[in-house]
Amino acid sequence: NAGVTQTPKFRILKIGQSMTLQCTQDMNHNYMYWYRQDPGMGLKLIYYSVGAGITDKGEVPNGYNVSRSTTEDFPLRLELAAPSQTSVYFCASNPSSGGYTFGSGTRLTVV
Amino acid sequence: GENVEQHPSTLSVQEGDSAVIKCTYSDSASNYFPWYKQELGKGPQLIIDIRSNVGEKKDQRIAVTLNKTAKHFSLHITETQPEDSAVYFCAALKDTDKLIFGTGTRLQVFP
Repeated sequence: NAGVTQTPKFRILKIGQSMTLQCTQDMNHNYMYWYRQDPGMGLKLIYYSVGAGITDKGEVPNGYNVSRSTTEDFPLRLELAAPSQTSVYFCASNPSSGGYTFGSGTRLTVV
Repeated sequence: GENVEQHPSTLSVQEGDSAVIKCTYSDSASNYFPWYKQELGKGPQLIIDIRSNVGEKKDQRIAVTLNKTAKHFSLHITETQPEDSAVYFCAALKDTDKLIFGTGTRLQVFP
């Protein structure tokens, strides 16, 4: 049972490039989330999904897009990378209400 | 919406001493309060949680207390060890809504 798997672990992007951060969970959880964590700061919610085909904005959605075509996958898309998007990104899931299971994170640097 | 405040932002203790981290929340309808431990370079890991129908919960050296009237909850770590050094986050959740995190406490345990 792998839990929540995020790829890649590290990435350096140039300004204006695009990329997709992958997130997969094998626990059949309906709820999935994307957070960003800036240095020395807490976690801010970017987008979340309560089930396949349903997504909604969190606190800081600008510059990002998501999709949820299956229960297992919840990719996060950056279309035009900006230095302000340099951060560590965490994906999480939970079955309904309760403790979240987090992935190990993707460290993204935009230069 | 919910707002969670966490104090202190940093905490240094001698090995063997106790550590207490406090959080307050704003939404009286919140009913689930987890605590996460984040070690360097890793994702947050759930260490203990409490629901609003319980006042205290213990798991070996860690305990969480909840005061619904005052809308605050606390994490207590007894007999601290160097491996307890990490960043700790509190969070609050209402039903199937989204977890709202505190800003984190960096705990350092000195041998």
